Amino acid sequence: RKEVEQDPGPFNVPEGATVAFNCTYSNSASQSFFWYRQDCRKEPKLLMSVYSSGNEDGRFTAQLNRASQYISLLIRDSKLSDSATYLCVVNEAAGNKLTFGGGTRVLVKP
Amino acid sequence: NAGVTQTPKFQVLKTGQSMTLQCAQDMNHEYMSWYRQDPGMGLRLIHYSVGAGITDQGEVPNGYNVSRSTTEDFPLRLLSAAPSQTSVYFCASSYEGHYGYTFGSGTRLTVV
Repeated sequence: RKEVEQDPGPFNVPEGATVAFNCTYSNSASQSFFWYRQDCRKEPKLLMSVYSSGNEDGRFTAQLNRASQYISLLIRDSKLSDSATYLCVVNEAAGNKLTFGGGTRVLVKP
Repeated sequence: NAGVTQTPKFQVLKTGQSMTLQCAQDMNHEYMSWYRQDPGMGLRLIHYSVGAGITDQGEVPNGYNVSRSTTEDFPLRLLSAAPSQTSVYFCASSYEGHYGYTFGSGTRLTVV
């Protein structure tokens, strides 16, 4: 079983629609969680950290469920520019070892 | 600030050759890491460092060496390149791991 698992997609989303997807992690001692965005042939870029109480950044909302060991990302009012691969990232208790999920590909279409 | 700078951007090596991938950051970050990204495998940690003089192995360290003589630089050395090392390599740094990492633009390495 992979340590961090994601649905690879693609999620085909009409422009303006809402899309949500999850990520599960296996290490219950994980301490910090992130969503990164990666465009084709580019480096990953931090989209947002995920806090226990859930957090929102504009059209993006992240949730953490420690009991069930998953995090989620919701994108509202999808834009064409939201098309990318979204990487779920978990930081182990040691504070330095990131474990990446395989990514969820999102395609926003007109 | 330049952020995290990786050189070269592209490289082709012959099997058995050695080379060093350079990584430098100007953000005074203590934490630095090297990852490789392969199709269908996601990003995997090769080596990491929590400060000058301190390095440790990640998930896939075989065939690679690192050193951290300064806070700014974290080079990755391929000792004897193999076709299995064909990949995209990313260097990343962080002030403190729980705040997320900044990635360099990557080095695309092909070993023939």
